[in-house]
Amino acid sequence: NAGVTQTPKFRVLKTGQSMTLLCAQDMNHEYMYWYRQDPGMGLRLIHYSVGEGTTAKGEVPDGYNVSRLKKQNFLLGLESAAPSQTSVYFCASSFIGQVPRDTQYFGPGTRLTVL
Amino acid sequence: GEDVEQSLFLSVREGDSSVINCTYTDSSSTYLYWYKQEPGAGLQLLTYIFSNMDMKQDQRLTVLLNKKDKHLSLRIADTQTGDSAIYFCAESRGTGSARQLTFGSGTQLTVLP
Repeated sequence: NAGVTQTPKFRVLKTGQSMTLLCAQDMNHEYMYWYRQDPGMGLRLIHYSVGEGTTAKGEVPDGYNVSRLKKQNFLLGLESAAPSQTSVYFCASSFIGQVPRDTQYFGPGTRLTVL
Repeated sequence: GEDVEQSLFLSVREGDSSVINCTYTDSSSTYLYWYKQEPGAGLQLLTYIFSNMDMKQDQRLTVLLNKKDKHLSLRIADTQTGDSAIYFCAESRGTGSARQLTFGSGTQLTVLP
Protein backbone atom coordinates (compact mmCIF):
# COMPACT_ATOMS: atom_id res chain seq x y z
CA ASN A 1 0.00 0.00 0.00
CA ALA A 2 1.90 3.03 -1.29
CA GLY A 3 -0.66 5.62 -0.12
CA VAL A 4 -0.54 8.84 -2.13
CA THR A 5 2.26 9.20 -4.66
CA GLN A 6 3.18 12.16 -6.82
CA THR A 7 5.15 12.35 -10.06
CA PRO A 8 7.55 14.05 -10.65
CA LYS A 9 9.28 15.08 -7.41
CA PHE A 10 11.04 18.06 -8.97
CA ARG A 11 10.63 20.01 -12.18
CA VAL A 12 12.02 23.18 -13.71
CA LEU A 13 10.03 24.87 -16.47
CA LYS A 14 10.52 27.93 -18.59
CA THR A 15 7.79 30.55 -18.73
CA GLY A 16 5.11 29.49 -21.18
CA GLN A 17 5.85 25.78 -21.09
CA SER A 18 3.21 23.28 -20.10
CA MET A 19 3.31 20.26 -17.85
CA THR A 20 1.14 17.77 -16.00
CA LEU A 21 1.57 16.63 -12.42
CA LEU A 22 0.27 13.17 -11.62
CA CYS A 23 -1.21 12.10 -8.31
CA ALA A 24 -2.09 8.47 -7.64
CA GLN A 25 -3.64 6.82 -4.60
CA ASP A 26 -4.19 3.14 -3.97
CA MET A 27 -6.57 3.50 -1.03
CA ASN A 28 -9.79 3.64 -3.06
CA HIS A 29 -10.51 7.14 -1.74
CA GLU A 30 -13.37 9.09 -3.25
CA TYR A 31 -12.02 12.58 -2.70
CA MET A 32 -8.79 14.03 -4.05
CA TYR A 33 -7.24 17.48 -3.74
CA TRP A 34 -4.47 19.62 -5.18
CA TYR A 35 -2.81 22.27 -3.00
CA ARG A 36 0.05 24.65 -3.43
CA GLN A 37 2.32 25.60 -0.55
CA ASP A 38 4.12 28.93 -0.51
CA PRO A 39 6.27 30.30 2.33
CA GLY A 40 4.22 31.91 5.07
CA MET A 41 0.93 31.15 3.31
CA GLY A 42 0.15 27.62 4.35
CA LEU A 43 -1.64 25.38 1.91
CA ARG A 44 -4.11 26.80 -0.57
CA LEU A 45 -6.58 24.59 -2.39
CA ILE A 46 -6.33 24.72 -6.18
CA HIS A 47 -8.90 22.17 -7.33
CA TYR A 48 -10.55 19.13 -5.86
CA SER A 49 -12.60 16.14 -6.95
CA VAL A 50 -15.37 14.29 -5.14
CA GLY A 51 -15.38 11.35 -7.53
CA GLU A 52 -14.32 9.97 -10.87
CA GLY A 53 -15.22 12.36 -13.67
CA THR A 54 -15.99 15.32 -11.39
CA THR A 55 -13.83 18.30 -10.46
CA ALA A 56 -14.38 21.62 -8.71
CA LYS A 57 -12.48 24.85 -8.16
CA GLY A 58 -10.78 25.66 -4.92
CA GLU A 59 -9.39 28.91 -3.60
CA VAL A 60 -6.72 29.54 -6.28
CA PRO A 61 -7.75 27.75 -9.52
CA ASP A 62 -6.57 30.28 -12.12
CA GLY A 63 -3.86 29.00 -14.47
CA TYR A 64 -4.51 25.34 -13.61
CA ASN A 65 -6.70 22.58 -15.00
CA VAL A 66 -7.44 19.16 -13.57
CA SER A 67 -8.86 15.85 -14.66
CA ARG A 68 -10.02 12.74 -12.84
CA LEU A 69 -10.62 10.11 -15.48
CA LYS A 70 -9.87 7.26 -13.10
CA LYS A 71 -10.76 7.09 -9.42
CA GLN A 72 -7.16 6.51 -8.38
CA ASN A 73 -5.59 9.34 -10.40
CA PHE A 74 -5.89 13.12 -10.23
CA LEU A 75 -3.94 15.17 -12.76
CA LEU A 76 -2.99 18.83 -12.42
CA GLY A 77 -2.10 20.68 -15.60
CA LEU A 78 -0.35 23.96 -16.21
CA GLU A 79 -1.03 25.08 -19.78
CA SER A 80 1.32 28.06 -19.84
CA ALA A 81 3.54 28.20 -16.78
CA ALA A 82 4.29 31.53 -15.10
CA PRO A 83 6.93 32.39 -12.46
CA SER A 84 4.08 32.97 -9.97
CA GLN A 85 3.37 29.24 -10.18
CA THR A 86 6.72 28.42 -8.63
CA SER A 87 5.67 26.48 -5.56
CA VAL A 88 5.49 23.11 -3.87
CA TYR A 89 2.41 21.19 -4.96
CA PHE A 90 0.74 18.64 -2.75
CA CYS A 91 -1.90 16.11 -3.58
CA ALA A 92 -4.16 14.65 -0.92
CA SER A 93 -7.02 12.19 -0.68
CA SER A 94 -9.77 11.31 1.74
CA PHE A 95 -12.73 8.96 1.96
CA ILE A 96 -16.38 9.15 2.86
CA GLY A 97 -17.22 7.92 6.32
CA GLN A 98 -13.82 8.18 7.93
CA VAL A 99 -13.32 9.40 11.46
CA PRO A 100 -12.40 12.05 12.07
CA ARG A 101 -14.24 13.40 9.10
CA ASP A 102 -12.20 15.40 6.56
CA THR A 103 -8.88 13.81 7.48
CA GLN A 104 -6.69 14.02 4.40
CA TYR A 105 -3.72 11.87 3.42
CA PHE A 106 -0.94 13.72 1.66
CA GLY A 107 1.60 12.86 -0.98
CA PRO A 108 5.28 13.85 -0.63
CA GLY A 109 4.97 16.91 -2.87
CA THR A 110 6.33 18.18 -6.19
CA ARG A 111 8.71 21.13 -6.18
CA LEU A 112 8.13 23.20 -9.32
CA THR A 113 10.29 26.12 -10.41
CA VAL A 114 9.25 28.32 -13.31
CA LEU A 115 12.01 30.48 -14.74
CA GLY B 1 -12.30 33.67 3.05
CA GLU B 2 -11.07 34.69 6.44
CA ASP B 3 -7.75 33.35 7.53
CA VAL B 4 -6.84 30.67 10.00
CA GLU B 5 -4.01 32.36 11.85
CA GLN B 6 -0.84 31.05 13.43
CA SER B 7 2.45 32.57 14.40
CA LEU B 8 5.18 31.65 11.93
CA PHE B 9 8.05 30.64 14.21
CA LEU B 10 8.66 29.09 17.64
CA SER B 11 11.96 28.05 19.22
CA VAL B 12 12.26 25.97 22.37
CA ARG B 13 14.97 24.12 24.24
CA GLU B 14 15.00 20.34 24.19
CA GLY B 15 13.02 19.04 27.16
CA ASP B 16 10.86 22.16 27.48
CA SER B 17 7.20 22.34 26.55
CA SER B 18 6.10 23.88 23.26
CA VAL B 19 2.79 25.64 22.81
CA ILE B 20 1.57 26.42 19.30
CA ASN B 21 -1.49 28.65 19.00
CA CYS B 22 -4.11 29.02 16.31
CA THR B 23 -7.23 31.11 15.81
CA TYR B 24 -9.89 29.83 13.45
CA THR B 25 -13.01 31.35 11.98
CA ASP B 26 -15.80 28.83 11.42
CA SER B 27 -17.72 28.19 14.62
CA SER B 28 -19.58 25.32 12.93
CA SER B 29 -16.41 23.24 12.37
CA THR B 30 -17.07 19.77 13.77
CA TYR B 31 -13.42 18.83 14.01
CA LEU B 32 -10.24 20.86 14.27
CA TYR B 33 -6.97 19.35 13.23
CA TRP B 34 -3.25 19.57 13.78
CA TYR B 35 -1.00 18.39 10.97
CA LYS B 36 2.78 17.98 11.08
CA GLN B 37 5.12 18.50 8.14
CA GLU B 38 8.66 17.24 8.44
CA PRO B 39 11.34 18.65 6.11
CA GLY B 40 10.86 17.60 2.51
CA ALA B 41 7.69 15.64 3.24
CA GLY B 42 3.94 15.97 2.96
CA LEU B 43 1.60 16.71 5.85
CA GLN B 44 0.58 14.01 8.29
CA LEU B 45 -2.34 14.16 10.68
CA LEU B 46 -0.92 14.59 14.19
CA THR B 47 -4.04 14.89 16.27
CA TYR B 48 -7.54 16.36 16.21
CA ILE B 49 -10.25 17.47 18.58
CA PHE B 50 -14.01 17.20 18.33
CA SER B 51 -15.73 20.54 18.71
CA ASN B 52 -17.71 19.53 21.80
CA MET B 53 -14.48 18.88 23.71
CA ASP B 54 -12.36 21.40 25.60
CA MET B 55 -9.26 19.28 25.84
CA LYS B 56 -7.75 16.16 24.38
CA GLN B 57 -4.58 14.46 25.58
CA ASP B 58 -2.59 11.98 23.53
CA GLN B 59 0.73 10.98 25.12
CA ARG B 60 2.95 14.09 24.91
CA LEU B 61 0.33 16.08 23.01
CA THR B 62 -2.41 18.18 24.59
CA VAL B 63 -4.96 20.02 22.48
CA LEU B 64 -6.98 22.82 24.05
CA LEU B 65 -10.06 24.30 22.42
CA ASN B 66 -11.72 27.56 23.41
CA LYS B 67 -14.82 27.79 21.24
CA LYS B 68 -15.88 31.15 22.60
CA ASP B 69 -12.64 32.76 21.44
CA LYS B 70 -12.17 30.35 18.47
CA HIS B 71 -8.74 29.53 19.79
CA LEU B 72 -6.95 26.22 19.42
CA SER B 73 -3.60 25.29 20.91
CA LEU B 74 -1.22 22.36 20.72
CA ARG B 75 1.10 21.67 23.63
CA ILE B 76 4.01 19.28 23.18
CA ALA B 77 5.51 18.13 26.47
CA ASP B 78 9.21 17.26 26.79
CA THR B 79 9.94 18.55 23.29
CA GLN B 80 12.57 16.56 21.39
CA THR B 81 14.73 17.42 18.38
CA GLY B 82 12.58 15.04 16.34
CA ASP B 83 9.63 17.37 16.96
CA SER B 84 11.26 20.04 14.80
CA ALA B 85 8.80 20.52 11.94
CA ILE B 86 6.08 22.81 10.65
CA TYR B 87 2.75 22.45 12.44
CA PHE B 88 -0.49 23.41 10.72
CA CYS B 89 -3.87 23.85 12.30
CA ALA B 90 -6.86 23.29 10.05
CA GLU B 91 -10.59 23.72 10.21
CA SER B 92 -13.29 22.17 8.07
CA ARG B 93 -15.48 24.56 6.11
CA GLY B 94 -18.48 24.05 3.86
CA THR B 95 -21.11 21.34 3.74
CA GLY B 96 -21.56 17.94 2.20
CA SER B 97 -19.13 16.87 -0.50
CA ALA B 98 -17.92 20.46 -0.87
CA ARG B 99 -16.50 20.43 2.63
CA GLN B 100 -12.83 21.42 2.61
CA LEU B 101 -9.99 21.88 5.02
CA THR B 102 -8.65 25.40 5.46
CA PHE B 103 -5.12 25.50 6.78
CA GLY B 104 -3.26 28.08 8.77
CA SER B 105 0.08 29.38 7.55
CA GLY B 106 1.99 26.89 9.67
CA THR B 107 4.29 27.35 12.67
CA GLN B 108 7.92 26.37 12.20
CA LEU B 109 9.02 24.73 15.46
CA THR B 110 12.76 24.63 16.06
CA VAL B 111 14.03 22.56 18.97
CA LEU B 112 17.42 23.68 20.23
CA PRO B 113 19.78 21.21 21.97
